[in-house]
Amino acid sequence: AQRVTQPEKLLSVFKGAPVELKCNYSYSGSPELFWYVQYSRQRLQLLLRHISRESIKGFTADLNKGETSFHLKKPFAQEEDSAMYYCALSDGASSYKLIFGSGTRLLVRP
Amino acid sequence: GAVVSQHPSWVICKSGTSVKIECRSLDFQATTMFWYRQFPKQSLMLMATSNEGSKATYEQGVEKDKFLINHASLTLSTLTVTSAHPEDSSFYICSAYTYEQYFGPGTRLTVT
Repeated sequence: AQRVTQPEKLLSVFKGAPVELKCNYSYSGSPELFWYVQYSRQRLQLLLRHISRESIKGFTADLNKGETSFHLKKPFAQEEDSAMYYCALSDGASSYKLIFGSGTRLLVRP
Repeated sequence: GAVVSQHPSWVICKSGTSVKIECRSLDFQATTMFWYRQFPKQSLMLMATSNEGSKATYEQGVEKDKFLINHASLTLSTLTVTSAHPEDSSFYICSAYTYEQYFGPGTRLTVT
């Protein structure tokens, strides 16, 4: 069954510290993986997707098929990074629907 | 670009009544829209996929007769919660797909 696991409900770090938000998935085929972010009182928005291999707002994520992981990383956290982060997968080929993980709240303290 | 709106943003209704929530793509056309449900401090749960001009596809466990979805045009999908009960109280979010999913701001439904 398709499943996305985000083991941490809350991650609290100090400004300037490195951040890693964990995401593991289970899927039988070749999924597309995404990270979405939801800032306070704002709608959900796409942060990055594995096929684009971009760095957005200093965040990167590498798909590790062997470990079925797609962890989100940033070397130096900023206070404005505080938000809810959701990892999601899509099978891409036959549908565009997304399966979301439970989310991790990132709190960056000054 | 790529803005999705929802109306209303919040609604309170009495148990047993029906409520309609609209999802509009404002500056693009979307043949596919999605409806999600989000409980407090929980993740988004996909309810159904709404396809323009055809019947919606519901996820397992979602009652299609209770959550009626109509995708009448390329810019509008509606979700009607029929005979609402307090347990239907939740945050309903839609998204519209064009190269990626763009999310609406959500509708908070409270059934009293």
